Amino acid sequence: ELKVEQNPLFLSMQEGKNYTIYCNYSTTSDRLYWYRQDPGKSLESLFVLLSNGAVKQEGRLMASLDTKARLSTLHITAAVHDLSATYFCAATYGGATNKLIFGTGTLLAVQP
Amino acid sequence: EPEVTQTPSHQVTQMGQEVILRCVPISNHLYFYWYRQILGQKVEFLVSFYNNEISEKSEIFDDQFSVERPDGSNFTLKIRSTKLEDSAMYFCASLAAMANEQFFGPGTRLTVL
Repeated sequence: ELKVEQNPLFLSMQEGKNYTIYCNYSTTSDRLYWYRQDPGKSLESLFVLLSNGAVKQEGRLMASLDTKARLSTLHITAAVHDLSATYFCAATYGGATNKLIFGTGTLLAVQP
Repeated sequence: EPEVTQTPSHQVTQMGQEVILRCVPISNHLYFYWYRQILGQKVEFLVSFYNNEISEKSEIFDDQFSVERPDGSNFTLKIRSTKLEDSAMYFCASLAAMANEQFFGPGTRLTVL
């Protein structure tokens, strides 16, 4: 059974600093996703990673995937307050349903 | 840009009552999903639906839950007799054939009193 774990669960960081959120999954997965969620809101898709070594960047966020280590990272560069949100990774192993298995989420608080 | 819509945005009900949560997926999508998020927790898969039948369901999706696509556009989640622990945000999602990314609706916040 596919399980997804994230760490840290909570991250308080200062503006301008860099940090990385880690996402580990337990069995082979063919797709890895990162989402952002603001309080009381829906899930905003950030990145879809489809293959080993995939790296995607958007603004101050960069996501990567290592399928051999079953690890994805979300790197934050020079954080700004607007990045404060909860970030979820999710994995799927395809098959008939493509259901998403989500990690526990990382609550990011960027302090001025 | 096409989007998934959900109604109502917030539903308050008494324990033991039936509720129906409604979703309109993106029109050319073929796979439909319901997920649940209890306040402060992670998002959990409930059920997937394809070709007018359930393709997979989780342990959470017990006999109190049902899904339907009554008219080719709406996709509904029914909870027959709500419990306090059903209070959560419910998200609908849809996926196109041969695509990689599910699109999520804005969610319905269900509060059971």
